[in-house]
Amino acid sequence: NAGVTQTPKFQVLKTGQSMTLQCAQDMNHNSMYWYRQDPGMGLRLIYYSASEGTTDKGEVPNGYNVSRLNKREFSLRLESAAPSQTSVYFCASSEASGGSYTQYFGPGTRLTVL
Amino acid sequence: AQSVTQLDSQVPVFEEAPVELRCNYSSSVSVYLFWYVQYPNQGLQLLLKYLSGSTLVKGINGFEAEFNKSQTSFHLRKPSVHISDTAEYFCAVPTGTAGNKLTFGGGTRVLVKP
Repeated sequence: NAGVTQTPKFQVLKTGQSMTLQCAQDMNHNSMYWYRQDPGMGLRLIYYSASEGTTDKGEVPNGYNVSRLNKREFSLRLESAAPSQTSVYFCASSEASGGSYTQYFGPGTRLTVL
Repeated sequence: AQSVTQLDSQVPVFEEAPVELRCNYSSSVSVYLFWYVQYPNQGLQLLLKYLSGSTLVKGINGFEAEFNKSQTSFHLRKPSVHISDTAEYFCAVPTGTAGNKLTFGGGTRVLVKP
C-alpha cells in the first residue's frame, strides 16, 4: 500500500496564478483532510471531507477550494495564489471522522508564492 | 473549544539521555489525545494515542506518555534517545462536532546531539 500520496512535491507560483494540489489514498478511508504547516504554528486545518460527497471548512479556509472527487481522491485548489499561502501542505485520511481515529499523512507539498 | 499547548518549542538533548516533551490540554469533557512525530522533510506519523483505560500509554520507538486528568497534561517521555529521534513532535486533540477535526499544538523540535 502506498498510503497517502500527494502531487506535486514542490511548486513555485507567481502571485495571482492558480494551481491544484492532488491527494489520493489507497486505504479505503472515508475521511480526508487538508492542512497547512507554518513555522511555530503546528498544522492548521484548511478543509476536510468526512465522507464522499461532503466537504466542510476548517480553521483557515479563505483562499482555497476543495473537491472530493471520489472516495480515494481529495484535491485542494488555490484560485489566485498570494504570498501568504507560501507553506507546506499536507493531506491526511482516516477511517472515519470521529475523534478516536488516527489520521495518516502524506509526504507534503512545499509551495512558494512569489 | 478544546486546545493543546506545547510548552517548549525546542529541546536539545544528548544521545542516550532522557527527554520529556510537555503538552497541556484544555477541556471540560472526556478527551482523546495524540502525539505525532515528523521526521525531517516527511509527513506526520502517529507515535501514540490515549483513548481510555490505562493512563500510561506506550507507543512506537520506545516513547510513552502519561495522561494526567487533574493536571490536564499528556507529557511524552523517552528514557534514552537516539540520534534518529531528531524530529518535531506534535500533541493533538480532536475538536469540532463529534471530534471530527484535529487541533495541533505548535510543535516541539527535538535535536539529539552526539
